[in-house]
Amino acid sequence: GENVEQHPSTLSVQEGDSAVIKCTYSDSASNYFPWYKQELGKRPQLIIDIRSNVGEKKDQRIAVTLNKTAKHFSLHIPETQPEDSAVYFCAATPYGNNRLAFGKGNQVVVIP
Amino acid sequence: NAGVTQTPKFRILKIGQSMTLQCAQDMNHNYMYWYRQDPGMGLKLIYYSVGAGITDKGEVPNGYNVSRSTTEDFPLRLELAAPSQTSVYFCASRQDYGYTFGSGTRLTVV
Repeated sequence: GENVEQHPSTLSVQEGDSAVIKCTYSDSASNYFPWYKQELGKRPQLIIDIRSNVGEKKDQRIAVTLNKTAKHFSLHIPETQPEDSAVYFCAATPYGNNRLAFGKGNQVVVIP
Repeated sequence: NAGVTQTPKFRILKIGQSMTLQCAQDMNHNYMYWYRQDPGMGLKLIYYSVGAGITDKGEVPNGYNVSRSTTEDFPLRLELAAPSQTSVYFCASRQDYGYTFGSGTRLTVV
């Protein structure tokens, strides 16, 4: 099955700096890669996703890049703000698969 | 649409007790999932369903049971609660790709 790993597990950044979280996956058949944000005590919420037919996608302030050859994808948060502090989960799934394989999550801390 | 609704939000159980965590969605999604999230950890899949009448085990099914008699509802049953089942439980549903999560049930077994 698919195995998704996230690095680093914790990332501290100064407010205004950028944050980049990288995920690697194992199944070359995976073609859908979402990112979820979970604030403290809240539910995970989808913030952006990318499909394998594109290499980059932007949604307002955040962006995701995908490298299918290397089997990794990254979340880019430029000009971080305190409200970006949260746990971010990446996931992957092959087409037709019934479920997502989640990474273990990255704790992002934005220092004011 | 209410999305995915979970009840109760909080519950304290004594060791050996049983309970059912309720999950309902009003989006007519075929796929539904139950995850548990231990403190500071990621999401572990307990059970999932691809449609009414069909369920399957995830990574950590021991100690739990599910049923899916309707498209809308996907209850999770805990039999003989143990301290190791102290966790936050999230239900989710999806139709095409993205998951929609419920607000979670925080369960403590003492």
